[in-house]
Formats: sequence, structure tokens, C-alpha cells
Amino acid sequence: SYVLTQPPSVSVAPGQTASITCGGNNIGSKSVHWYQQKPGQAPVLVVYDDSDRPSGIPERFSGSNSGNTATLTISRVEAGDEADYYCQVWDSSRDHVVFGGGTELTVL
Amino acid sequence: QVQLVQSGTEVKKPGASVKVSCKASGYTFTGYYMHWVRQAPGQGLEWMGWVNPNNSGTNYAQTFQGWVTMTRDTSISTAYMELSRLKSDDTAVYYCARSSGMAAAGNFDYWGQGTLVTVSS
Repeated sequence: SYVLTQPPSVSVAPGQTASITCGGNNIGSKSVHWYQQKPGQAPVLVVYDDSDRPSGIPERFSGSNSGNTATLTISRVEAGDEADYYCQVWDSSRDHVVFGGGTELTVL
Repeated sequence: QVQLVQSGTEVKKPGASVKVSCKASGYTFTGYYMHWVRQAPGQGLEWMGWVNPNNSGTNYAQTFQGWVTMTRDTSISTAYMELSRLKSDDTAVYYCARSSGMAAAGNFDYWGQGTLVTVSS
């Protein structure tokens, strides 16, 4: 089955840029979606189809996808961005959804 | 506005079954696949499967095949997820999530609030 690999944690100072990676075999050929989840809340879609943002999501959130790595980039990080972030793709060989293991973003 | 409202907290004994509901509003229920995702305490998101509200078709993650059943009632715009033969490690928050496009594939643009299922003797 298809596997997505994320770093367990990323730390960044306020105002800096955070990059969260999502690795998978030839992931560049798939559409990658990213979710933000704060404690006690349901996940929220922050980036879809590699680099598009839903309405209401700040421009500080962006995404890219190429080769074997997709990346969620958060610019000018704020304390309110502290959360868990998950990548997700569609495994068309099985008609299944695959999530990455999640990355805890800590704002120092 | 689109809303997915799930049923309340459940406490079950090992070996029992649980059925969680997800009532949709604000859109055409039969037009969008519904997925179920669970999250054990302190763990990540685990995809369980989807149901096609239009024709009741389903597809389950291999982990859950044989002990999960996803159904829907179009008359009340509600999807259901039933898990049988519960074990303690089925203790988790269970979410329903709508697939954004009119297909199973895609992102999840709306989520239910989650239903905590606790399995304990």
C-alpha cells in the first residue's frame, strides 16, 4: 500500500517560515492535500491539489509537490499556527485515502 | 451552509458494536461521497472507508474489512458507520468527512465534529 512519511515535529520561531514535508513514492504524480488540526478540534483543509487554498485560509499557507516530496510552507508563522498538520493523497490503485502520520508544529 | 452533525459520545464494552451517525445539511446529500476517519488518543488520522450516498456503494480500508459497515439513509440525509466486535484499541474519535468533488477521490472540505467512542470493560 502507498505510504506517506512526515517528520514527527517541526519547530519554528514566530515570524519565520515553517516547511513541513510529506514523502511518498512519485508523490509528484498525485494531488496532495494538507490539513491543520488543533487540539480537540476536527481537521481543517488548508491546502488542496498541491498548492490551492480554500477560501478563508491565509496566503501565508502554500504548498508544492514534485518528485518524491510534497511540502507545506507556512510563512510569517504565528502562535496560532501551532497545530498538527497532515498530508493526504488518493491511492487510485485501491480507491483508498492515505494520510501521512502527521507533523506537530511548535512555535517557539 | 454545509454542516455535518454527528451523534454523541458512546461508551461500549468489548465485543459490542457501535453505530455512529452523521447528518448532513446545506447541500445535496446524494451528490458527495462520505468518508469516515478515526483518531485514537494522541495518534494520527486513520482513514476507514467511504460510502456513496447515491447508490450505497462502499469501499473500506483493509484494516476494517469484515468488521465495519457504512450505510446511508437518503430520506434523512444521514450516513452511518457501524463497527462491530469492539476492542479497547478502538477507543477513538470518529469523524465523518465529505469528499469535495462528486467522486470518492479528492480532499475533505467539510468534517463532522467527531464522536468519541470509548471501549472499556
